[in-house]
Formats: sequence, C-alpha cells, structure tokens
Amino acid sequence: SAVISQKPSRDICQRGTSLTIQCQVDSQVTMMFWYRQQPGQSLTLIATANQGSEATYESGFVIDKFPISRPNLTFSTLTVSNMSPEDSSIYLCSVTAAGNTIYFGEGSWLTVV
Amino acid sequence: GNSVTQMEGPVTLSEEAFLTINCTYTATGYPSLFWYVQYPGEGLQLLLKATKADDKGSNKGFEATYRKETTSFHLEKGSVQVSDSAVYFCALSDNAGNMLTFGGGTRLMVKP
Repeated sequence: SAVISQKPSRDICQRGTSLTIQCQVDSQVTMMFWYRQQPGQSLTLIATANQGSEATYESGFVIDKFPISRPNLTFSTLTVSNMSPEDSSIYLCSVTAAGNTIYFGEGSWLTVV
Repeated sequence: GNSVTQMEGPVTLSEEAFLTINCTYTATGYPSLFWYVQYPGEGLQLLLKATKADDKGSNKGFEATYRKETTSFHLEKGSVQVSDSAVYFCALSDNAGNMLTFGGGTRLMVKP
C-alpha cells in the first residue's frame, strides 16, 4: 500500500489568489495524479505528473491555471492559480502502488470566497 | 475511450437490507476495476478491486465480481449498516495502473 499526505487539508481562499497543495508519499512512485472533485460531483483527472518531465494535462485543464511540480519520486505540488469560486473543490493526489492499485490522499478541501 | 456508468442515487435502505449498486463499463483491452468509498467529509478510500475476468473483490462484507461478458462490476452487500452510509464510486484503470476513469458516484443512505 501507499500512505499519502496532503497539505493543506482545508483552506478558505480569497478570490484572485493562488494556493499550492503538497502531496507526499511514503514510498517512491513513478506516476502521480491530481484529481478534482467539485461539490456533489465525481472525480475528474487534472493531470499526470512524472518525475523529471512536464506534467500531462487532460482536456479542459491548462498549465497556467494548474502548474504542477514533481521534483522527486515521493513529492508533488499542484498550484491553483488566480482562484475563483468555481475552483472550490476537493483536490486529490493519487499514486499507483504495487499490484497496480491506485491510492488517494485525504484530499485538500478548498473554498474560494 | 473508457467510461463507467453507475446507477444514480441516492439509494436509501433500512439497516440489514441487501445492497446492490450497479456498475457497467466500456474499455479497450483488459482494465482493472475498483470500488472506492467516500464517507462524509473524508477523502477516497479503496474498498475493493478485481484485476481480471471472474475475479471477485471483497472487503468489509462488500463484494463485486468482474464480469467481462456483461462488462459489469456490481457492488453487493448482504446486510448494510448505518455506518455504510457514504458515496460509492466505481472506477477502472488500464492494466498499467494508470489514471482512473470514475463513474458518477452513488450515494447510499442507510436508516436505522
């Protein structure tokens, strides 16, 4: 299994500001994923982050809005830039561990006011 | 592309009732199938998984069988408890363990 820690767990942010979410894994993993879960919705993949390369973004998500860093095999950050109330969501980090099982962090619950 | 369809909720049951949440999928190749659970105010937890046809995943009294012929992975539990109240997500990934495709989620409410 994999233990994933995310920070912050919750935050209330002002419109127009940016917030960086951190994801720390207790083991080295090749691929890390960032998802968004808008209120009452399912999860949508934002991007895939591989160490040493640019993140790969899904349709509807762009690097300027959601820059991602992946400096090593256990850590990644997602920044939500120039936030608006529509960005109020849970942002979840996930990894693929042994046995191709995918695990999630507890999520970062952001409210933009 | 890949897709997952779940029955819409909410599903409301009395305690000790039998639960079925339907899940069907469309995928190329041989995906792995998962059920995740999200309790109120919490993140996503893996409930069970199956990686090949006819596999049965089970955990905490929940079961789901990978049915390739019907492209289904229905979640069942023989006797639900109030503590099972949560949102359940069916999902699939390719066999490389890459990104998940999620269903829309099904909210389960169990009343005492």
